[in-house]
Parts: sequence; C-alpha cells; structure tokens
Amino acid sequence: DAGITQSPRHKVTETGTPVTLRCHQTENHRYMYWYRQDPGHGLRLIHYSYGVKDTDKGEVSDGYSVSRSKTEDFLLTLESATSSQTSVYFCAITGQGGTGELFFGEGSRLTVL
Amino acid sequence: EDQVTQSPEALRLQEGESSSLNCSYTVSGLRGLFWYRQDPGKGPEFLFTLYSAGEEKEKERLKATLTKKESFLHITAPKPEDSATYLCAHNYGQNFVFGPGTRLSVLP
Repeated sequence: DAGITQSPRHKVTETGTPVTLRCHQTENHRYMYWYRQDPGHGLRLIHYSYGVKDTDKGEVSDGYSVSRSKTEDFLLTLESATSSQTSVYFCAITGQGGTGELFFGEGSRLTVL
Repeated sequence: EDQVTQSPEALRLQEGESSSLNCSYTVSGLRGLFWYRQDPGKGPEFLFTLYSAGEEKEKERLKATLTKKESFLHITAPKPEDSATYLCAHNYGQNFVFGPGTRLSVLP
C-alpha cells in the first residue's frame, strides 16, 4: 500500500471558520493532488503540486488554497468554509512524471454546518 | 471539453453472473485510461492502466479492454466481494478526469 496519510479523517465545522487538511506521504513522490468527491460529480481536482512550493489550480479551486513546504506534506486550506465545501476530500500521489496511476489516501470527510 | 461517462450507473448481479461496465471518453490523444475500485468509506484503489486501442489487462475475475473511444471492464463469474464502485479516468495534462462510477452489487 502507498504510504499516504490524511488528517483529520473526519471534521465538523461551522460556516466561516478556517479549515486545514493535511496529506502526508512516505513515498517521496513528486506529484501530489487534492480531489473532492461528491455524489453525481465524481472526483474533481482542486489543486495539485509538482514539487516543493510548486502548485497549480484544478477545475474546482475557488475557495481553496494549498501549500507544500516539504516533499512529504501537502496542505489544503479552506480560508472560510462554506456549506458547499461539505465533501469527502482525497489526497493522491503519483510518481511517473504526473502521468502514471494515482494512489489515494483514505479520505477526509468534512461537514460544514 | 474532455469528459468521461460511465454506464450503467448501478448494476446488480447474481453471484456467477458475468457482465461488463462501460467507460466512454471524448479526449483526443489519450495518454492513459485508468480503472479504479472504490469501497465505501475508502479511497479509490488502482486496478489497471491501458494506453492503446486493442490493449487488454486481466486481474483475477476482471479484464479491462480499450478501443478508440471506450473501455470495458468485464467481470467474469463475480463474487460478493467484487461489490464496489468502479471508476474510470483518463489523463488530461497533469490532471486525471474521472467518470462518476458504476456501483456494482453482487448478490450471493
């Protein structure tokens, strides 16, 4: 199994509060991704990183920011959570120049009240 | 816009009843077609990658095939433990575009 750990696994918060989700990998892979998964939409890319301090936006990046200060850690921040950001968030990694298969973490379920 | 669609949305099979899941994509210049299995409350688990039309890959009761516009996941003599959601995806730049999945239930 790919060494990917997400924390927290579950979180309930209130509208307007900041939230940070953490993804930690032990594989030393260059590429890391944050996806959200919602019924009827499948997995949608929020942001990805192709190296330390190198990040780019995905298709649903509004309201989210990311940071990667170390190879092993990729943080997803919701500056001011909204109910539309209630979702399951998955971190993923790939090592083959960003074009090989993805390996996913167990997910973080976020509920914004 | 590149899209990935999957059918059926849900499928119920009796144990041993073989069937196929469909994944259709509109991207030109496919770089890779991926199949994943997702169990409830878990992250997707990688199954196969296909790169060119005519390619086939097998793993236990699963076989994935690829044409120019579609991929099929054939399930032969399924067992209840094959029950899961099956996702397909393709490469799009540095992104992976996912389909909505097929929810498979195999009844004993």
